[in-house]
Amino acid sequence: DGGITQSPKYLFRKEGQNVTLSCEQNLNHDAMYWYRQDPGQGLRLIYYSQIVNDFQKGDIAEGYSVSREKKESFPLTVTSAQKNPTAFYLCASSLGSLNTEAFFGQGTRLTVV
Amino acid sequence: RKEVEQDPGPFNVPEGATVAFNCTYSNSASQSFFWYRQDCRKEPKLLMSVYSSGNEDGRFTAQLNRASQYISLLIRDSKLSDSATYLCVVPQNFGNEKLTFGTGTRLTIIP
Repeated sequence: DGGITQSPKYLFRKEGQNVTLSCEQNLNHDAMYWYRQDPGQGLRLIYYSQIVNDFQKGDIAEGYSVSREKKESFPLTVTSAQKNPTAFYLCASSLGSLNTEAFFGQGTRLTVV
Repeated sequence: RKEVEQDPGPFNVPEGATVAFNCTYSNSASQSFFWYRQDCRKEPKLLMSVYSSGNEDGRFTAQLNRASQYISLLIRDSKLSDSATYLCVVPQNFGNEKLTFGTGTRLTIIP
């Protein structure tokens, strides 16, 4: 079945450590996105990518990094520079044209302990 | 003006009532608009797409007002299962497509 998969579902990290969240899609979508959601809040865009080996900063990129070495994969690294990393992280993908919907993974809930 | 703005609510509405909420956008060149539904602690899922003046699907109607730059979502005969957060999405094409979400409107249907 086609879809977008995020792993792990729950992740615990010690303060000061980097951690990488996985996002894989087999929908043959060009565009991929990472969002952060805090309790009771909307989705804030971290990074997005339209094509392989290219990506752009979203509204809250500080403390995060991404790579897009393959079309189907868009991993997000939460670095130690991110001051408040505890949040719900959502990955999405779309065909990349303006008139197409985005499909979401089930999300990764990151907690810093 | 923010790229996409929504009234966060919460909207507490009795079962069977009609409820409507708006989403305003700043980019007058935007061509397509989407409403997503998000249940608590879950990922958003597409509810409706709006490409021209509006769209209707059963109890749900989305309308676009280009002159005032807003889209609305109307829910008729509301059900308990309609309780969720409704997110407005407006793709922004600045050379690279940026998919910007509103903060969401929280809706609770009361029995």
